[in-house]
Amino acid sequence: SYALTQPSSLSVSPGQTASITCSGDTLGHKYTSWYQQKPGQSPVLVIHQDDRRPSGIPERFSGSNSGNTATLTISGTQATDEADYYCQAWDSGPVVFGGGTKLTVL
Amino acid sequence: EVHLVQSGGGLVKPGGSLRLSCAASGFTFSDAWMTWVRQAPGKGLEWVGRIKSTPDGAAADYAAPMAGRVTISRDDSKSTLYLQMHSLKTEDTGTYFCATEIVGALPHWGQGTLVTASS
Repeated sequence: SYALTQPSSLSVSPGQTASITCSGDTLGHKYTSWYQQKPGQSPVLVIHQDDRRPSGIPERFSGSNSGNTATLTISGTQATDEADYYCQAWDSGPVVFGGGTKLTVL
Repeated sequence: EVHLVQSGGGLVKPGGSLRLSCAASGFTFSDAWMTWVRQAPGKGLEWVGRIKSTPDGAAADYAAPMAGRVTISRDDSKSTLYLQMHSLKTEDTGTYFCATEIVGALPHWGQGTLVTASS
């Protein structure tokens, strides 16, 4: 079955850029979405169709997808961005999630 | 505004059954693809399955680990999505979320409902 790999954790200082990667075989041929989940809350979609930002999501969130790797980039990271982030791939079949990355802002 | 309100979770003994509901509002439910996702305590997100919109035939697809033990259905007259689970195992314990699905992304989520399979 298809698998997506993310780093389990990432630390970044406030104001710096956080880049979270998601790897999978020919991932660039699939649509990738990214979700932010804070403790006790439902996930929130922050990027869809590789690089599209839903309304209400700050411009500091951006995405890219090419080859075998998709990347979520958070520019000017804020303390409120501390959360778990999940990538998700789709190409008309089952939805597949990555294992998640815990982003710490300190 | 889209709202997904879930109900039906709780404690069930291994081998038992449970039905979760997800009441939708704020959009044309019959035209929506709907998905179930679960999350074991302290773990990541796991896709359970989906049901296509009624115009697309309302066919359901399931993740391999749960195929044969779950049934996803919809009642468009009530704008409600269901997840019927049978033969529950302790490893099925977790929070179950319903979500809308659009071009493979899940933009709107329910609040989640906890299912605990334990003796």
